[in-house]
Amino acid sequence: QVQLVESGGGVVQPGGSLRLSCAASGFTFSSYGMHWVRQAPGKGLEWLAFIWYTGTNEYYADSVKGRFTISRDNSKNTLYLQMNSLRVEDTAVFYCAKDRGGSTMRGSEIWGQGTMVTVSS
Amino acid sequence: QSALTQPASVSGSPGQSITISCTGTSGDVGGYNYVSWYQHHPGKAPKLMIYEVSYRPSGVSNRFSGSKSGNTASLTISGLQAEDEADYYCSSYTSISTLVFGGGTKLTVL
Repeated sequence: QVQLVESGGGVVQPGGSLRLSCAASGFTFSSYGMHWVRQAPGKGLEWLAFIWYTGTNEYYADSVKGRFTISRDNSKNTLYLQMNSLRVEDTAVFYCAKDRGGSTMRGSEIWGQGTMVTVSS
Repeated sequence: QSALTQPASVSGSPGQSITISCTGTSGDVGGYNYVSWYQHHPGKAPKLMIYEVSYRPSGVSNRFSGSKSGNTASLTISGLQAEDEADYYCSSYTSISTLVFGGGTKLTVL
């Protein structure tokens, strides 16, 4: 079935790094744009980044630009989020999501269950 | 990019209709027909309820409908049911090629 499974979350100290992965199955991964979205405890959804189906274009929220990098490996059906210079305020559940489009943000019909990232000393 | 503006909470009785508004600017909601609505139950993955302002994905009840006028989009739920109780978020594509979410609306079914 169509599925996204995130992994790589955990506890990291402020200033540290973490790489999240999102394994896709059940659809043609290489045909769709992909997002990362997070939800901090008690807060709403926050969009973080989007990558085209080709992997050639990336877009970021100001809050993570320069610190986070979205990437994909279409041969492995996997999306990544490299997170550097992590801050306490980055603590959240991180979701990957499949867009309906390949290079436009038309709406995300498939979401993973999320992976928790805690930034704490 | 500022978050889109949604009411913090709305409520309704079973069988009633409610509408959740989502106000942005001409640089997001008003400028593009890429407004989506998501239903989010705590601890679960968000679910797409409406895309491109007014289209329903396969499997979503026709009790859910979306519209837009100027810089404000709206989600209407008719025939309210207990299972509709959840958080609802709007999102929009923006003029700087980003996506922005609303702050979220907690729907309570009385």
